[in-house]
Amino acid sequence: EAGVAQSPRYKIIEKRQSVAFWCNPISGHATLYWYQQILGQGPKLLIQFQNNGVVDDSQLPKDRFSAERLKGVDSTLKIQPAKLEDSAVYLCASWALNYGNEQFFGPGTRLTVL
Amino acid sequence: TQLLEQSPQFLSIQEGENLTVYCNSSSVFSSLQWYRQEPGEGPVLLVTVVTGGEVKKLKRLTFQFGDARKDSSLHITAAQPGDTGLYLCAGGEVTNQGGKLIFGQGTELSVKP
Repeated sequence: EAGVAQSPRYKIIEKRQSVAFWCNPISGHATLYWYQQILGQGPKLLIQFQNNGVVDDSQLPKDRFSAERLKGVDSTLKIQPAKLEDSAVYLCASWALNYGNEQFFGPGTRLTVL
Repeated sequence: TQLLEQSPQFLSIQEGENLTVYCNSSSVFSSLQWYRQEPGEGPVLLVTVVTGGEVKKLKRLTFQFGDARKDSSLHITAAQPGDTGLYLCAGGEVTNQGGKLIFGQGTELSVKP
């Protein structure tokens, strides 16, 4: 079974530019999460989808971050415009009921904002 | 706001030594998970504990959930260089929509040969 796929793996941009990250969860996983992991910290939830609906986006900085999962499968996270403090690893995870309470994580996208 | 505090944040030891990592909170969690993350990879689940006082063993790793379900510990016996990585505890609730995890800040472990 293929794992969670993310692209790109690395991205370097200048502040005020835009960037988008893509995630393809494990096939059949209805729940998809985006996390932000700043160096030296644990992952922080940004947004949680159940199929194509948003379950929780309370910690998503909506003035600059947006995310969608239009067909309930893959998802895109966008930052526009980026700030220096957005430099982090962006992790995507997926979950399915028949796998208990384990979230499966992708390798992440490392974003550097200069 | 629920918070999980891990200690120590950094640990550098020699191969063969034992170590314990702690995860503490003022909040009660229905379950607590431990993940291990290697550089350039996402976290991978090691164990889930759900019952107060529960102890689980995974080879040389022993996990314990506090009686009050507010804290947990990870003990590694005879650490090996392959144990090197970031260890994360995560507390949370699981619902039929997947639930939510709150992560600690992690413990960076380095085991030198």
